[in-house]
Amino acid sequence: IAGITQAPTSQILAAGRRMTLRCTQDMRHNAMYWYRQDLGLGLRLIHYSNTAGTTGKGEVPDGYSVSRANTDDFPLTLASAVPSQTSVYFCASSDQPYSSYNEQFFGPGTRLTVL
Amino acid sequence: GDSVTQMEGPVTLSEEAFLTINCTYTATGYPSLFWYVQYPGEGLQLLLKATKADDKGSNKGFEATYRKETTSFHLEKGSVQVSDSAVYFCALSEPLGRDDKIIFGKGTRLHILP
Repeated sequence: IAGITQAPTSQILAAGRRMTLRCTQDMRHNAMYWYRQDLGLGLRLIHYSNTAGTTGKGEVPDGYSVSRANTDDFPLTLASAVPSQTSVYFCASSDQPYSSYNEQFFGPGTRLTVL
Repeated sequence: GDSVTQMEGPVTLSEEAFLTINCTYTATGYPSLFWYVQYPGEGLQLLLKATKADDKGSNKGFEATYRKETTSFHLEKGSVQVSDSAVYFCALSEPLGRDDKIIFGKGTRLHILP
C-alpha cells in the first residue's frame, strides 16, 4: 500500500451513536489532518497533528476528537453523532508541517450519513 | 486572517476551450500557493504549486503564476479536455513558524462538454 487509506468508505449511522473513522498512512509523514467537505463550504479543517503524540484543533473541532499514538494512524471519533455531521471526511498527511512547502496528500474519503 | 477566494462555479466549457479559474489570496506573510484537483469520487491531489513571487507552477498543461502585486494565482489551460472535469481548489500555506496549515478556497467545479 502506498499513500493514505481510510475506512470505512461509507457509513450510515443513527444519531447518538459513537463512530470512529480510521486513517492510516505509510509514507512516514510527520503531520496528519482531518477535513470535512460540504457542498458550498469547501474543505474545513477539523483537527490536525504535526507529529506523533501531539494534536491541535482546526476550524470546526466541536463534536470530534482525535488521537495520534504513532506516526501512521490518526483516527477521528464522533462521540455522539448528530445529523449536522453528515459529510465527506478526508484524511491528509504532509512531510513538512512547518514549511512553506506544505504539500498535503489526501486519502479517498469516507462518506458519512447521520440519520 | 489569511484567506483564499476563488471564482464560484460551476464553470462549463466546450472541449478545446481556454480555461481561466481566478484565485486571489490574503496573507500576512509570504505564503506558498497551490492548486489541488479533485476528480469525481476521489480525494484531492496536488496539481501545481509556486513558492515565491513570479514563480510559475505547471503540470498536465495547466499553469498558474504567483503574482504578489495583485495577490493572485489564477489557473489557466490553453485547451481543456473532457478528462479535466473536476473540482479545483486554490490554497495557500504560510511559511515556517507562522502557520503550519493549508487554507483552501471553496473550490470551483469544472464541466467540460465533448
